[in-house]
Amino acid sequence: GDSVTQMEGPVTLSEEAFLTINCTYTATGYPSLFWYVQYPGEGLQLLLKATKADDKGSNKGFEATYRKETTSFHLEKGSVQVSDSAVYFCALITNRDDKIIFGKGTRLHILP
Amino acid sequence: EPEVTQTPSHQVTQMGQEVILRCVPISNHLYFYWYRQILGQKVEFLVSFYNNEISEKSEIFDDQFSVERPDGSNFTLKIRSTKLEDSAMYFCASSEVGENSPLHFGNGTRLTVT
Repeated sequence: GDSVTQMEGPVTLSEEAFLTINCTYTATGYPSLFWYVQYPGEGLQLLLKATKADDKGSNKGFEATYRKETTSFHLEKGSVQVSDSAVYFCALITNRDDKIIFGKGTRLHILP
Repeated sequence: EPEVTQTPSHQVTQMGQEVILRCVPISNHLYFYWYRQILGQKVEFLVSFYNNEISEKSEIFDDQFSVERPDGSNFTLKIRSTKLEDSAMYFCASSEVGENSPLHFGNGTRLTVT
C-alpha cells in the first residue's frame, strides 16, 4: 500500500547548520507531497507542499523538491535556527484517495 | 487566516466513560477528518467524513467510535466507553473539495484516560 518513510530522529544540529531530512514514498499514481511541522505543544501545521513532479515547495526558508525518479521529497534548509526545533512529518495524498498518509516524524533539535 | 479549532484542549476521563471531542472545521471545507497521535508515536488516520457520511475509516475506528456533524459548523468524535489505550492527542482536520487539497489541522485535544 501507499506509505511514507522518513529518516529517524532525533536530529541534533547547531544553529546555522544545513539541514536535510530525507523522505521517500511509495504510492500508485501521482501523489501530492507535503511537509507538516509540529512545534512543542502545538498541532500539525502545513509547512510546504508540491503537487507534481519537479515542483519545489518552499516556506520559511525550507524547501523540498518532488523527485518522481527517486520517489523522494527531502526537506532542506540552508541555515537552521533554534526556533526550528520541532517534529517534521513528511506526508502524501494520492489521487485515488482523500486521506493523508504520514511518515513517522523526525524530531529536530537545534542547539544555540 | 481561517483555522480549525478544537475543544477542549485537554480532557481527562475515567476508563469506561464516554467522551465527545469537538471540532469546528474551516467554514468552506467539505472534507473532515480525525487523526490521533499516541505519545511519541505516529500520527494515525481514524476516519474521514464527506457529505454527511463516513467516507473511509481505519481499523482503529471500531464500534466504540462515532462521528457526527450535528449542525452546520461542528464535527464531533465520540468514544463510547474509553479505554486506557485511547489516551492520545486527537487531531481534527478539514480540506477543500479538490484533488489533493492539503489538510488543515486543529491544535488537537489531549485525551487522558485514567
